[in-house]
Order: sequence, then C-alpha cells, then structure tokens
Amino acid sequence: DTAVSQTPKYLVTQMGNDKSIKCEQNLGHDTMYWYKQDSKKFLKIMFSYNNKELIINETVPNRFSPKSPDKAHLNLHINSLELGDSAVYFCASRGLAGSYEQFFGPGTRLTVL
Amino acid sequence: GENVEQHPSTLSVQEGDSAVIKCTYSDSASNYFPWYKQELGKRPQLIIDIRSNVGEKKDQRIAVTLNKTAKHFSLHITETQPEDSAVYFCAGRVGGGGNKLTFGTGTQLKVEL
Repeated sequence: DTAVSQTPKYLVTQMGNDKSIKCEQNLGHDTMYWYKQDSKKFLKIMFSYNNKELIINETVPNRFSPKSPDKAHLNLHINSLELGDSAVYFCASRGLAGSYEQFFGPGTRLTVL
Repeated sequence: GENVEQHPSTLSVQEGDSAVIKCTYSDSASNYFPWYKQELGKRPQLIIDIRSNVGEKKDQRIAVTLNKTAKHFSLHITETQPEDSAVYFCAGRVGGGGNKLTFGTGTQLKVEL
C-alpha cells in the first residue's frame, strides 16, 4: 500500500565496498528522483529519471550510478564507498502531469565505517 | 542555477503562538514553491505549496505568502501545537525539464508547552 518504498532502511558497510539501494513507486508517476540528506539535514538532489531516461544529473561523483529498469523503479548503486557518503538517501517521485508535488520514500540511512 | 536561502535555522515558540519561516530565491523564473515538514527520522512531507501566479494560500492553521518582486516567500503557522515541532524546508522550482526542486537549509521548529 506504500506509495514510495525503499530498501533497505538501514545500511552499514565498510569503506571501499559497493552497495545498492532500491526504490519503487506504485503511484503511476513518470518521474523519480534521488536526494542525499547529510548530517546537517541539507537536502540535495542527485539524479532524476523521467520514464527511464536520465534528465537531471547533478555534480555527483561517478561512483554513484542510478539505474531505472522501468518507470516504477529507480535504483542507486554506489561503488567504492567513502566515509563522506554516509547520509540518508531519499527516493521521490513526482505527481502526474500538471502537478509539481514530489512524494518521498522513507529514506535509507547509509553508514560507512 | 537557483539558490534558496531560509531563515531562521532554529525557531522556538510557546504553544499557541505563531511561527514564521522566511525564504528567498534567486531565479526570477521560479514558478513553484512548496513547503515540506520532516519529523525526526521520517520522510519530508508536503504541507502546503504555492505557484507564482498566486500571492497567498491558506490551509487551516498554515499559510504561505509569496512576493515575486522581492523574490521571497514565507510560511506562517498559527496556534502552534507540540506536534508542529519538526524541521521545515522551503523549496523553489525553476520551469523546464526535470521539475528540479532546490531546497532551503531547513528550520528546526520547537513548540514548547
């Protein structure tokens, strides 16, 4: 029943590892996003996909690679994790045509040790 | 690109008082301004939004005002209650592809009994 869901909710890993976070939305939206929220609560957009096409790619290290197998899913893969990658990662999706509202997932708290 | 500044960073009010949070934006092409509320450990959730063709919008105890000339917008919460305690984010959207939202740095609102 959840509109935007993410897995896992928590992720603890060692530096240098590779990890993935998955996101799914059942709202029928075409556009999905990844945001990073750092320890100071600052929310910054990383990527956006519209119907499986990358449309926003902010200044993010190329260790981060989003993948959208279909418009309901947007996954985030991170290679060679660094301490500074520790943050909460939120997935979001945008309302239907004419709506600008973004709906956020519950977040994934990533801790890199 | 768009830059959104938000003040204050923390705000403490007594229950029943009003709270005002202010944001300024840099890009005069911005046309949509949402406000999100994020409770501790939860996802950001939209509480109210306003489009650039409207000067004011109200929903029960919350209201948003927009001054396009001065490029600033404000959130007003009246009759504050303890459950209003949260971090509030403003954001601005510049028209064009991607529906990219640029967020302010957040305001930690504490409503004291």
